[in-house]
Amino acid sequence: GAGVSQSPRYKVAKRGQDVALRCDPISGHVSLFWYQQALGQGPEFLTYFQNEAQLDKSGLPSDRFFAERPEGSVSTLKIQRTQQEDSAVYLCASSSPGSEGQLFYEQYFGPGTRLTVT
Amino acid sequence: AQKVTQAQTEISVVEKEDVTLDCVYETRDTTYYLFWYKQPPSGELVFLIRRNSFDEQNEISGRYSWNFQKSTSSFNFTITASQVVDSAVYFCALSLNTGFQKLVFGTGTRLLVSP
Repeated sequence: GAGVSQSPRYKVAKRGQDVALRCDPISGHVSLFWYQQALGQGPEFLTYFQNEAQLDKSGLPSDRFFAERPEGSVSTLKIQRTQQEDSAVYLCASSSPGSEGQLFYEQYFGPGTRLTVT
Repeated sequence: AQKVTQAQTEISVVEKEDVTLDCVYETRDTTYYLFWYKQPPSGELVFLIRRNSFDEQNEISGRYSWNFQKSTSSFNFTITASQVVDSAVYFCALSLNTGFQKLVFGTGTRLLVSP
């Protein structure tokens, strides 16, 4: 089946604009993660959903960042009043419990959205 | 808190050389998972290997091998007879076996393999 898809792949925003980044997880995957990857750095956790419930948003850098997954499938990461420091690649990953007794759930990553704030 | 350190920022080798990428991790938990991911220029993270903390057996997959040593908190990755297609950024990552298993990544090592 299809992997994780993200759109747009590239986004240029002027400082102060709002942006919305979309993630389509693998069909049936319960868990969805957002990560932020600054230039030359490793991905950093932003937030986690289990179905439609946002169970952890401890990594969101400010209250300008907001994520939702209203029907437990597609997720949107919204950034309000973008700043230059928001420039990064935003990665989405999904996973799902596997067979009974499985201890680890593999995360499958999308190609990311590269956000440039000018 | 968990932390992953990849001290090598960039490594350049000539094709067919062997190369080892270092990874050192920190965690107080006894149960955890370690990973290596490859990120080619296209940007998508490609899963290479997962190892749980109870399994210190080294693993070999083709030209790739991994050396896990709990005594030194290291999980090093060796590519034998490197090829140009191996050029990418490689990330080491850690997750706990509790909660939703979020990944904590290192800063990555850029590997450049020249012909």
